[in-house]
Amino acid sequence: DADVTQTPRNRITKTGKRIMLECSQTKGHDRMYWYRQDPGLGLRLIYYSFDVKDINKGEISDGYSVSRQAQAKFSLSLESAIPNQTALYFCATSDEGQGSTDTQYFGPGTRLTVL
Amino acid sequence: DQQVKQNSPSLSVQEGRISILNCDYTNSMFDYFLWYKKYPAEGPTFLISISSIKDKNEDGRFTVFLNKSAKHLSLHIVPSQPGDSAVYFCAAHYYNQGGKLIFGQGTELSVKP
Repeated sequence: DADVTQTPRNRITKTGKRIMLECSQTKGHDRMYWYRQDPGLGLRLIYYSFDVKDINKGEISDGYSVSRQAQAKFSLSLESAIPNQTALYFCATSDEGQGSTDTQYFGPGTRLTVL
Repeated sequence: DQQVKQNSPSLSVQEGRISILNCDYTNSMFDYFLWYKKYPAEGPTFLISISSIKDKNEDGRFTVFLNKSAKHLSLHIVPSQPGDSAVYFCAAHYYNQGGKLIFGQGTELSVKP
C-alpha cells in the first residue's frame, strides 16, 4: 500500500467551482506539504503544515486554502477554480526526526483541469 | 525570482555514458541540497542529497558535486541506463526553516539504448 495517497487522481472542473483535493499518509509524519507542478516552473509550494495546529502559506497560496484535519490528513481547496489553476498537484510529507536531510515523500499527484 | 535554477530543460544521453545534470542557486543560506527523480504519472522520489559543508556525495551510480563558491551543483549518473530516463529536480533547503524546500524547474533525461 502507498504511504502517501491522493484523491482524486484526475479531475476536470469548470471555472468558479469549488474543488477539494485530499491527501492521506500512513508514514506517521508530522509535516505535510502541497505543491503544484507546471511545465517549465518545477514544483512550487502552496501551503505547508508542521503539525495539526500549524498552517503556513507557501510561495503561491493565493486562491487556495488548506485544512489539516488530523496528523494523517491534509486537504487543499480551491474555493473558486480558475483556468490558470490547471496543473499537477502533489502532496508530500516529511519527518522532523529525519536529521539534516528532511527528505520529503510525495504522493502520486492529482491532475486538475479547470475549463 | 527563481532561487534554484536548472537551465537545461532536457538532456539526451547514450546508454552506458555519463549523464550530468546541473543546478544553480542564488541563496547562500541554503544548508543542503537534494535531487529528486520523477517518472510520468508518479510523484517525485528522493534520490540523493548533499550537505553544504561537503563537496561530494556518492551513492552507487549517482554522485552529487557541490561548488559553493560558484553556487552550483551537479548530479552525475555513471553508467546511464534506460531506466534512468525521468525528470530530475534539484531542491534546496533553507537553514533553520524546518522542512521547506525550493525546487528547480526540472531536467528531463532521456537515456537511449
